Amino acid sequence: GAGVSQSPRYKVAKRGQDVALRCDPISGHVSLFWYQQALGQGPEFLTYFQNEAQLDKSGLPSDRFFAERPEGSVSTLKIQRTQQEDSAVYLCASSPRPKAGTGSLNEQFFGPGTRLTVL
Amino acid sequence: GDSVTQMEGPVTLSEEAFLTINCTYTATGYPSLFWYVQYPGEGLQLLLKATKADDKGSNKGFEATYRKETTSFHLEKGSVQVSDSAVYFCALIGANSKLTFGKGITLSVRP
Repeated sequence: GAGVSQSPRYKVAKRGQDVALRCDPISGHVSLFWYQQALGQGPEFLTYFQNEAQLDKSGLPSDRFFAERPEGSVSTLKIQRTQQEDSAVYLCASSPRPKAGTGSLNEQFFGPGTRLTVL
Repeated sequence: GDSVTQMEGPVTLSEEAFLTINCTYTATGYPSLFWYVQYPGEGLQLLLKATKADDKGSNKGFEATYRKETTSFHLEKGSVQVSDSAVYFCALIGANSKLTFGKGITLSVRP
């Protein structure tokens, strides 16, 4: 398989439960991004890793959200004490090492997403 | 902060009709601009991109031109097909590495 994979594809949680969402990026991709897509809206940035370093977490909506990428490959997005407003599709994207002269521009390859429903 | 505004949808067209989907943006500096497409049941895919003013991105018969003077990146296709039915997102990367998306617009093409 060559693409970004995410698991589970669907998750139903009761309010107050903790959830963990997994992202397997394309092998060798340095950068990894998490986005949240509410129904009828465009994706919104949550956080960004370069290798194992979390360089930007400005989009995380609260301290209930936590992301990690300990070995610079697989990443997990954890949501503690889920609330109904957390219901959304969570998208993961990865991109390769930027080519010289292109700055930070690189195509981001998206996974199919995890649809989280909090009851 | 950076933002992207797309025209309101949904849009329904007959096969072979001309398509325009409007997109304008606000960003500091010189962003790179993108159109992403999401086909039913699939993940987001890059459709086309443009990295500087007056660049034209094109793919699968779709085109968009980076217009700095009007801060726009409108998507066009001369003759749509049923298989073009999908959700289309305009997006930009500004001074940082993260994508900022518009709300998306659903296109339905009738046979």
